[in-house]
Amino acid sequence: DQQVKQNSPSLSVQEGRISILNCDYTNSMFDYFLWYKKYPAEGPTFLISISSIKDKNEDGRFTVFLNKSAKHLSLHIVPSQPGDSAVYFCAASTYRISSGSARQLTFGSGTQLTVLP
Amino acid sequence: NAGVTQTPKFQVLKTGQSMTLQCAQDMNHEYMSWYRQDPGMGLRLIHYSVGAGITDQGEVPNGYNVSRSTTEDFPLRLLSAAPSQTSVYFCASSYSGSFVNEQFFGPGTRLTVL
Repeated sequence: DQQVKQNSPSLSVQEGRISILNCDYTNSMFDYFLWYKKYPAEGPTFLISISSIKDKNEDGRFTVFLNKSAKHLSLHIVPSQPGDSAVYFCAASTYRISSGSARQLTFGSGTQLTVLP
Repeated sequence: NAGVTQTPKFQVLKTGQSMTLQCAQDMNHEYMSWYRQDPGMGLRLIHYSVGAGITDQGEVPNGYNVSRSTTEDFPLRLLSAAPSQTSVYFCASSYSGSFVNEQFFGPGTRLTVL
């Protein structure tokens, strides 16, 4: 069972418009959430994160919203640019009970964002 | 500062062969990990290490071995490759495994097992 789900495999938006990528999770032990961006033939790169004690975090054109009651988070990109075209992974973090003090990330399956010029 | 490096970039194996995927980081990070990425599955954690000499299993450890003799290197060994291990493998590192912090990923190794 996937604890972190990204139900939209792909999303296309026009340049300059808003991109909204969604992510749902089921494990209430997750207390930190991250978004990673991945270009083809490269490894994922960190984009933005949010702690479960917050409901919003902004970094330039990127904003992440967290709705704990709905176990839902979203990434907003405004305005979208062609260079934003990539796969976006949502990830959630918690301590793994058997690992002592080490945290682990659980990733969603990713959403391919295409920004059309 | 090369970050996280992985070799090889591509590899084709026959069923039953063994090989080692190499991973190195030059950021003096404590925490290193291996993930595999499969279509529709996201990245799944195979093994991780919180420091030299300390390793533990992740979500999908079967068929893989790891060791960490130095801070810099974290190789992943496939003892007897199976077609189910066809995947893209990513190594990642971060400053600490105890706190939430950015993980830096290598460029990946694309492995095909025939």
